[in-house]
Amino acid sequence: DTGVSQDPRHKITKRGQNVTFRCDPISEHNRLYWYRQTLGQGPEFLTYFQNEAQLEKSRLLSDRFSAERPKGSFSTLEIQRTEQGDSAMYLCASSTGAGISYNEQFFGPGTRLTVL
Amino acid sequence: AQSVTQPDIHITVSEGASLELRCNYSYGATPYLFWYVQSPGQGLQLLLKYFSGDTLVQGIKGFEAEFKRSQSSFNLRKPSVHWSDAAEYFCAVSGNYQLIWGAGTKLIIKP
Repeated sequence: DTGVSQDPRHKITKRGQNVTFRCDPISEHNRLYWYRQTLGQGPEFLTYFQNEAQLEKSRLLSDRFSAERPKGSFSTLEIQRTEQGDSAMYLCASSTGAGISYNEQFFGPGTRLTVL
Repeated sequence: AQSVTQPDIHITVSEGASLELRCNYSYGATPYLFWYVQSPGQGLQLLLKYFSGDTLVQGIKGFEAEFKRSQSSFNLRKPSVHWSDAAEYFCAVSGNYQLIWGAGTKLIIKP
């Protein structure tokens, strides 16, 4: 399977704990995106990388959220000191692209986070 | 500000009937427009996209959409729905690198 993969698919944690999610993009894709989707809503953009550079992070929801893509391949999204309001589906997508061009984003199955 | 509105939260259609899902957008320049489908437990799948050119675009699974600049709309249509089309449908507009999404329309198919 050469699609976008995410791990884990489900995560249940207690309030105050830290969680980390992983995304493996399609191998030839240089761009990687993180979105959050809450129940009954469309995805909400969080951040994106072009290769290893994080080009937009102002939409991360708070300073408890951080993302990395250290070698320009897989990426991790970390949430520190989780709150119940962080419960959502976290989606990863990847695409090719450069500059301000737009190319089709391919989505992974998501990680569903439940904070108790 | 860029935004996407899908006015219908739920739509119920009989199997074999035609379908139209509405999407209105607000965007300053010529938009790139998309329709995605999301089934339970599945990732978002692109149905079709409009970048430029012919305003009637064909997609996968028998779907089509028409871009109407004067109405700021990009409605999704299918002439005859199948039970397997039951899912949530999202309209999105591209703001350069990010996608801006509507809240989605849940399609329910009556047998």
